[in-house]
Amino acid sequence: DQQVKQNSPSLSVQEGRISILNCDYTNSMFDYFLWYKKYPAEGPTFLISISSIKDKNEDGRFTVFLNKSAKHLSLHIVPSQPGDSAVYFCAASVETSGSRLTFGEGTQLTVNP
Amino acid sequence: NAGVTQTPKFQVLKTGQSMTLQCAQDMNHNSMYWYRQDPGMGLRLIYYSASEGTTDKGEVPNGYNVSRLNKREFSLRLESAAPSQTSVYFCASSEYRGYSPLHFGNGTRLTVT
Repeated sequence: DQQVKQNSPSLSVQEGRISILNCDYTNSMFDYFLWYKKYPAEGPTFLISISSIKDKNEDGRFTVFLNKSAKHLSLHIVPSQPGDSAVYFCAASVETSGSRLTFGEGTQLTVNP
Repeated sequence: NAGVTQTPKFQVLKTGQSMTLQCAQDMNHNSMYWYRQDPGMGLRLIYYSASEGTTDKGEVPNGYNVSRLNKREFSLRLESAAPSQTSVYFCASSEYRGYSPLHFGNGTRLTVT
């Protein structure tokens, strides 16, 4: 069973606009959530995270929102830039499991100039 | 500033052949992980090592073995490769302390014919 799901395989936005990537989870034990970005032929790189005691975390152009009651999180990128074009993975973990992450399927973001 | 280094980058095997994927990290991290990435399925945990001297199964361990050679190195072995093991394999490391992001290598692309 897929405990972390990203239902949109792809998303295309115009440069300068907002990109919103979504992620749903089913395991209520998850208490830490992360977003990773992946370029072709490279490994995923950590982007931003949020713990379950918060509902929002910002880092520059990137903001992650967590809605625990809906078991939903989203990543907002404002403004989007062509260099943001990559696959974005949502991931979740339980603090007591250390850094073992459960990943979603990924969403390919394309930012058009 | 290498981070996590994986070798080889590419490999083609025939069904039944064996091989070992190598991984080394220079960040003095305690924990190391092997993930595989398949289209539409995100990254799935194969095995992990919370600390030197320990290894545990992840979500998809069948057909694989691992060795935590020392604190720096964690290898993944396929004893008898099968076409279902065609995938991109990523090694990662972390502190294994609560909320610690994983740091990934650039992957090994394996094809089994």
